[in-house]
Amino acid sequence: GENVEQHPSTLSVQEGDSAVIKCTYSDSASNYFPWYKQELGKGPQLIIDIRSNVGEKKDQRIAVTLNKTAKHFSLHITETQPEDSAVYFCAAKVSGGADGLTFGKGTHLIIQP
Amino acid sequence: SAVISQKPSRDICQRGTSLTIQCQVDSQVTMMFWYRQQPGQSLTLIATANQGSEATYESGFVIDKFPISRPNLTFSTLTVSNMSPEDSSIYLCSAGTGEGPLHFGNGTRLTVT
Repeated sequence: GENVEQHPSTLSVQEGDSAVIKCTYSDSASNYFPWYKQELGKGPQLIIDIRSNVGEKKDQRIAVTLNKTAKHFSLHITETQPEDSAVYFCAAKVSGGADGLTFGKGTHLIIQP
Repeated sequence: SAVISQKPSRDICQRGTSLTIQCQVDSQVTMMFWYRQQPGQSLTLIATANQGSEATYESGFVIDKFPISRPNLTFSTLTVSNMSPEDSSIYLCSAGTGEGPLHFGNGTRLTVT
C-alpha cells in the first residue's frame, strides 16, 4: 500500500517568513495530493490540492509543488501570519479510486510573532 | 464543498460498552470513510463505508469491533464495540464525490474509562 513520509515534524518560523513542508510517497499510482490544516479541536480542513498532471498550484499565499518522477511534493506558505499556526498534513491517493487517503504524520507549524 | 456533521462531538464511556457515532453529509456523496486519530498523531483509515453493502476494512480493523452502516448517500454510522481505554481517540468521518476532494467532520472525541 501507499506510504507517505512528511518532514519536518515541527517547524518554527518568524512571522512574515516563508514555511516549507515536504512529503514523499511510495505508490507511483497515486495521482492526487491534498494538504490539510488542522487546528486544535477541529477536523482537518482542505487548504490546497494538486493532481499529477500539473507541477505547481498556487492559491494566494499557499502553493504546492509536485515532482512526480521523484515522488515528492511540498507545501509553501509565504508571508506567514499567526493564524497559520496549526498542524499540517499531506496525503496521497489514486484519484477516483475506492481507497481513502494515506496521510503523513503531520507538521506542527509555529509562527513566532 | 460538502458540510459534514458528526454526533456526538465528544463522549466519555465505560469500558465494555459501545458507542455509535453518526455522520451526516449535506449533499449526496459517493465516498465515505472513517478515520481514527490518536492524540497528537496522524489519521489512520479504519474503513470505507460502502452504500448498500458491507464496509471495507483496513488491516488491523475488524467488523466485529467497528461495525459500520451506510444506508444512503448522505449518512453513515460507526460503532465502537466493547470499548477499552485503548479505544480512546478521535474518530473522524470523511466524504467526497468521484474525482473531487475529501472533506472531514470535526470528529468525535472519545474517552473510555
